[in-house]
Amino acid sequence: TQLLEQSPQFLSIQEGENLTVYCNSSSVFSSLQWYRQEPGEGPVLLVTVVTGGEVKKLKRLTFQFGDARKDSSLHITAAQPGDTGLYLCAGAKNNNDMRFGAGTRLTVKP
Amino acid sequence: DAGITQSPRHKVTETGTPVTLRCHQTENHRYMYWYRQDPGHGLRLIHYSYGVKDTDKGEVSDGYSVSRSKTEDFLLTLESATSSQTSVYFCAISGTGVNYGYTFGSGTRLTVV
Repeated sequence: TQLLEQSPQFLSIQEGENLTVYCNSSSVFSSLQWYRQEPGEGPVLLVTVVTGGEVKKLKRLTFQFGDARKDSSLHITAAQPGDTGLYLCAGAKNNNDMRFGAGTRLTVKP
Repeated sequence: DAGITQSPRHKVTETGTPVTLRCHQTENHRYMYWYRQDPGHGLRLIHYSYGVKDTDKGEVSDGYSVSRSKTEDFLLTLESATSSQTSVYFCAISGTGVNYGYTFGSGTRLTVV
């Protein structure tokens, strides 16, 4: 059983649509991170959220950390084909203990 | 780009043979990590290092050992490769630990036949 559950596992949408992906857990994390991974490459860090309730925006991407620091969401506005990839969330339980979800595979069709 | 390289990028090996994967960084970061990525499991921590000759086990350490004799190099050894160790292996580095994010290498795809 994954410590972090991501949903949906797969998402295929048309360019211009909005979407939200979720990262849920029963554990409390000191911080939560989102990464994007493209085929044949390592994950690339998008954002780190630390405070419960924190919202961060990165252009068309909005990240929210749950008030209880157990869950997070990623919202993409007006998705573009360049947003296609595997989105991973990762929660830090203590120093050097980072747990990853299995990811949401997003495909944005032109 | 952060200076982190993994070698080899691809390897096919036979069951029972030892295999060593290398991670090299030019960032002088203190923390280095080895993960494996498998479908449906996400990334799972194998071993990590918090300094030269300072290492510890992660979630899935059985069958793996590591060494860090220099700040810049972190080696992962599969002592006797098994088919269950077929996976993509990623190295990551961090200057300040978990709360500030990792920089990942491009991965090594290992196939054990």
